[in-house]
Amino acid sequence: QQQVKQSPQSLIVQKGGISIINCAYENTAFDYFPWYQQFPGKGPALLIAIRPDVSEKKEGRFTISFNKSAKQFSLHIMDSQPGDSATYFCAAKGAGSYQLTFGKGTKLSVIP
Amino acid sequence: SQTIHQWPATLVQPVGSPLSLECTVEGTSNPNLYWYRQAAGRGLQLLFYSVGIGQISSEVPQNLSASRPQDRQFILSSKKLLLSDSGFYLCAWSVLGPGNIQYFGAGTRLSVL
Repeated sequence: QQQVKQSPQSLIVQKGGISIINCAYENTAFDYFPWYQQFPGKGPALLIAIRPDVSEKKEGRFTISFNKSAKQFSLHIMDSQPGDSATYFCAAKGAGSYQLTFGKGTKLSVIP
Repeated sequence: SQTIHQWPATLVQPVGSPLSLECTVEGTSNPNLYWYRQAAGRGLQLLFYSVGIGQISSEVPQNLSASRPQDRQFILSSKKLLLSDSGFYLCAWSVLGPGNIQYFGAGTRLSVL
């Protein structure tokens, strides 16, 4: 079964610090790697995404780093703010597939 | 612009009662539609997906069923709810394209008592 393993399960970061969430996958046929942000009681919203032919993508304070050989990718949140407190999910899409395989999520708490 | 509507937002149902959750998408044609369940503190489990009217694929055996009576309407149903059906149900849509990005609705919190 295709899997995406996400860590840590929870993360506490001080305001202004860097939040780092890691994901690893096994299926080399994945061709798209999105990250979703979910606030309590809301549906997940696409935050940022990357293709495996790119090693890094940055959008504002959010950066995805992608290591194809290690089959790992990570989300970095620079200058973390209390408003970033949410659950973050990494995901991977199989080539030619409609489906996303999600990690189990990371609950981020940014404390003042 | 595209929007997705999901209702109700919250639902409390007794064990053994039927269920009908509805999801509609506006502003796009022939979307792929998905139903997910999210248990507390857990990830997202894909329940059903549909690539067209009347075309439903089930990912896990369960007490639930799905239907797509119209292009932009997706319904999740059960004839008799179980306690284990409690959870947060999310509808999502996507269109064919780079990444097949999925966009989620606001979800329905279902409590089966």
